[in-house]
Amino acid sequence: GESVGLHLPTLSVQEGDNSIINCAYSNSASDYFIWYKQESGKGPQFIIDIRSNMDKRQGQRVTVLLNKTVKHLSLQIAATQPGDSAVYFCAENFLQVLDKLIFGTGTRLQVFP
Amino acid sequence: DAGVTQSPTHLIKTRGQQVTLRCSPKSGHDTVSWYQQALGQGPQFIFQYYEEEERQRGNFPDRFSGHQFPNYSSELNVNALLLGDSALYLCASNCWGLAVSGDTQYFGPGTRLTVL
Repeated sequence: GESVGLHLPTLSVQEGDNSIINCAYSNSASDYFIWYKQESGKGPQFIIDIRSNMDKRQGQRVTVLLNKTVKHLSLQIAATQPGDSAVYFCAENFLQVLDKLIFGTGTRLQVFP
Repeated sequence: DAGVTQSPTHLIKTRGQQVTLRCSPKSGHDTVSWYQQALGQGPQFIFQYYEEEERQRGNFPDRFSGHQFPNYSSELNVNALLLGDSALYLCASNCWGLAVSGDTQYFGPGTRLTVL
């Protein structure tokens, strides 16, 4: 069945360094991908999204890269800050109409001073 | 601009009981989706409501049912609760139709359900 998974369950980085969180997806028909950040006790918070007709999209301190050839998605966070500590999820949508999102299990990002 | 709100924040029930969770979508949104998030896992899609009808459903039993009201708010009902139903229940809202970049599903804070 379709699945979205993450390579690393936990990522530890030094404050100020760049972080890269990876995600693999299995359904080549997916046309929309989203990264969410979830802090303890809160719901997922939208970070950035990308459509399948794009390879790269940049936001404020974040960049999402999409490699459709190998079905791989990554989230890059520049100059990681303590406030970036959270669990990060990638999610995919299979249809052009935004309905169910398929989430992976998440990667925990820990930022050390 | 109010975001997605959910109530209650926490709930404790016993096996066999029934529970109702509530969600108000973000201002301007007309579509509500419900997700179940077990501890340490990603959210799992339960179902989605638009125009007061269930539009999509995930792999959840009929014990899980929902409703959407004319003001777009929604309820999630779970009957005959099992221990395995203990989870964080998340509500997300969006505008029906094509996913416009940046106009994605926005999540509420969730309701933590504990079944004893």
